[in-house]
Amino acid sequence: GAGVSQTPSNKVTEKGKYVELRCDPISGHTALYWYRQSLGQGPEFLIYFQGTGAADDSGLPNDRFFAVRPEGSVSTLKIQRTERGDSAVYLCASSPYGVAEAFFGQGTRLTVV
Amino acid sequence: RKEVEQDPGPFNVPEGATVAFNCTYSNSASQSFFWYRQDCRKEPKLLMSVYSSGNEDGRFTAQLNRASQYISLLIRDSKLSDSATYLCVVNIGGRHQFYFGTGTSLTVIP
Repeated sequence: GAGVSQTPSNKVTEKGKYVELRCDPISGHTALYWYRQSLGQGPEFLIYFQGTGAADDSGLPNDRFFAVRPEGSVSTLKIQRTERGDSAVYLCASSPYGVAEAFFGQGTRLTVV
Repeated sequence: RKEVEQDPGPFNVPEGATVAFNCTYSNSASQSFFWYRQDCRKEPKLLMSVYSSGNEDGRFTAQLNRASQYISLLIRDSKLSDSATYLCVVNIGGRHQFYFGTGTSLTVIP
């Protein structure tokens, strides 16, 4: 596709469950970012990949959050033992290289009940 | 202290008005600057990059003041379709994250 694709678009899960959020970046973009956006706030950085490696994971809030990008393209954000406070829109973005503009997907709206 | 600070607004302006948003950043090593636009329940989209010399794109003008560490966005002749949240974004040299402000909400009223 032409843009960044994220699936699912919406996810409702029960507290304590495990969830996976998928991001398919723009073809050829080496940089991939995960952000989290709560209502009324700007996107908050979670993790940055350059190729297959997590170059900066300083934004991951705790060890329940983990992300992978095994082949340098698609990425999966994994959240274990979800909590109600994890409810937010999770945005993925890609960029041709680390400091150029970032192109965002439409996000996954996660609701933990 | 937040890396990027914006007045959240809301700004409610009539059609045809000129409106300006300011944004301040705290890290003097900031290198790249952008304005993104976000419509309700949509993803952020790049509106324009901000260059040191200032730049204009149609009705939109962006300015950067490195000495005072602020960025501005001016919208002339506001249209109803300009109603959105405008996010100020900064990239700090040597880091690979984009720091977002909380966004400024604009509503253009008929």
